[in-house]
Amino acid sequence: DGGITQSPKYLFRKEGQNVTLSCEQNLNHDAMYWYRQDPGQGLRLIYYSQIVNDFQKGDIAEGYSVSREKKESFPLTVTSAQKNPTAFYLCASSRGREGKLFFGSGTQLSVL
Amino acid sequence: GIQVEQSPPDLILQEGANSTLRCNFSDSVNNLQWFHQNPWGQLINLFYIPSGTKQNGRLSATTVATERYSLLYISSSQTTDSGVYFCAVGPLNQGGKLIFGQGTELSVKP
Repeated sequence: DGGITQSPKYLFRKEGQNVTLSCEQNLNHDAMYWYRQDPGQGLRLIYYSQIVNDFQKGDIAEGYSVSREKKESFPLTVTSAQKNPTAFYLCASSRGREGKLFFGSGTQLSVL
Repeated sequence: GIQVEQSPPDLILQEGANSTLRCNFSDSVNNLQWFHQNPWGQLINLFYIPSGTKQNGRLSATTVATERYSLLYISSSQTTDSGVYFCAVGPLNQGGKLIFGQGTELSVKP
């Protein structure tokens, strides 16, 4: 089936550790996005990529890094510089810059 | 930056009732989408509606871009409509970024 796959579903991070969240899509979409959601809040944009090998910072990029080496993959690394990483992370994709947005099922990250 | 305000923040309905959710935004946009987040966290795209009116079954949406608001109508609500409804807007000249509102949490009681 076509869609967006995020893994793992749950992830635990120790202090000082970097962790990587996976996002893969088989929709042949050019644009991919990472959002963070805190309890009872809306979604905030971390990073987005409109094309392979290019990406832009969103509104809350500090403490995060991304890569876009393949069209179908957009992994997010939560670095040790992110002091409050506990949140629900959502990956999304769209056909073009302003296309309809589709989401994966999310990864819940918690700090041990 | 652009502000996106959704109202009401919470809504409780009896099954079968109708409701209207509102999204106001503070600047011109070229993209507006409505989403439903179910209790398990999955976000489903309901409408891509930068202007005009669309209908999909019991749901319909209207965006009046010149007046900077959008409305989502839910008719004959069902318990499966429960969850959080988000409006997201794309400001002009911002390369496809979507800015989300805080959402309206809907609870439909049987």
